[in-house]
Amino acid sequence: AQTVTQSQPEMSVQEAETVTLSCTYDTSESDYYLFWYKQPPSRQMILVIRQEAYKQQNATENRFSVNFQKAAKSFSLKISDSQLGDAAMYFCAYRNYGGATNKLIFGTGTLLAVQP
Amino acid sequence: GAGVSQTPSNKVTEKGKYVELRCDPISGHTALYWYRQSLGQGPEFLIYFQGTGAADDSGLPNDRFFAVRPEGSVSTLKIQRTERGDSAVYLCASSRGSGANVLTFGAGSRLTVL
Repeated sequence: AQTVTQSQPEMSVQEAETVTLSCTYDTSESDYYLFWYKQPPSRQMILVIRQEAYKQQNATENRFSVNFQKAAKSFSLKISDSQLGDAAMYFCAYRNYGGATNKLIFGTGTLLAVQP
Repeated sequence: GAGVSQTPSNKVTEKGKYVELRCDPISGHTALYWYRQSLGQGPEFLIYFQGTGAADDSGLPNDRFFAVRPEGSVSTLKIQRTERGDSAVYLCASSRGSGANVLTFGAGSRLTVL
């Protein structure tokens, strides 16, 4: 069975600085998707960034980028120029490619605080 | 609608009672998912609907939990004989289909069982 591990329960960053959130996963599949979701106190999960495992190029969305290391099964999120609105819980998630369902497997999350 | 709507936002009930949680997905989204998020944890998959049928209910913890989607749109998660361990946020998500489509989540229903 696939698993997702986030080893940093809490992180803190100064406004305008850069922070990296770690995620590792375990799977025997060769094709899959990886995601980072943000969950503010409103509880709604918001997609931050997505990576297809067959793509070697790391995904980037404005201030958010990932470092995808397939062999190491590592998928870290880098937030540049951190803003107060980035403060939230961040979840790493995995999904198999294809198959009957779109089931996501989540890590336990990292709570990010942004200091002014 | 514009987003995934879940009601109620918060529900407090007593142990042993019956509870229904409702999810109204984005119009046109055929896939619908229920997840449960316990305090301090990531969401855990409960059940997936493609249209009206439950394509994967492998995450339902026991037979007290049941979900329906009779017309392929609104879904109801039903919990019988609630227990204190059922206290959690229940998240619903929808997508245009399965495959590579990204899930859009609702704000969840927080269930507290006293």
